[in-house]
Amino acid sequence: DVKVTQSSRYLVKRTGEKVFLECVQDMDHENMFWYRQDPGLGLRLIYFSYDVKMKEKGDIPEGYSVSREKKERFSLILESASTNQTSMYLCASSFEQGVGGYTFGSGTRLTVV
Amino acid sequence: DAKTTQPPSMDCAEGRAANLPCNHSTISGNEYVYWYRQIHSQGPQYIIHGLKNNETNEMASLIITEDRKSSTLILPHATLRDTAVYYCIVRVAGGTSYGKLTFGQGTILTVHP
Repeated sequence: DVKVTQSSRYLVKRTGEKVFLECVQDMDHENMFWYRQDPGLGLRLIYFSYDVKMKEKGDIPEGYSVSREKKERFSLILESASTNQTSMYLCASSFEQGVGGYTFGSGTRLTVV
Repeated sequence: DAKTTQPPSMDCAEGRAANLPCNHSTISGNEYVYWYRQIHSQGPQYIIHGLKNNETNEMASLIITEDRKSSTLILPHATLRDTAVYYCIVRVAGGTSYGKLTFGQGTILTVHP
């Protein structure tokens, strides 16, 4: 079964910490995405990548950076975690053509205290 | 992307067909209809998509009206594990909307024993 795997289901970090969220997909997908999901705000795109070492800003990139050194891995980095970054973080991937659906990971619920 | 309207909640008996409607009266000719679902505390799961023809896969069937202004997702034999929030999305595949998945409120489907 194809999968997008996020390294942690739950994380608790302190304000100011640098946080790494890891995502790995085994489908040889070209495109990978990071979203956050908050009640009442729906799904918001943070960053996406359409190729190794390539990245594009989404709708809410402030306070985040990403890294894609290998095709299967896409990392989200919170440079200095803040309480307003407490959220559910979702990674997804898709084939280049983009007509098909996105495959999501199970999510990482991050709490910043 | 076109706006969609879904009923906030629906019930279904286990083993019966669940028919989830979606209105998208402002859909454009190049916009696809996608369905995702999200089980509590998990990432969204892609179900099916279509442009104008009816589609079927191992999970569900998608019926799109001839004028494309509405569609119905059919789960032919609902199980308790189908209890989830179901999202209907209308969007262009690829292009400048790439990665932008706007989940509305969705329909909470509850499958009863």
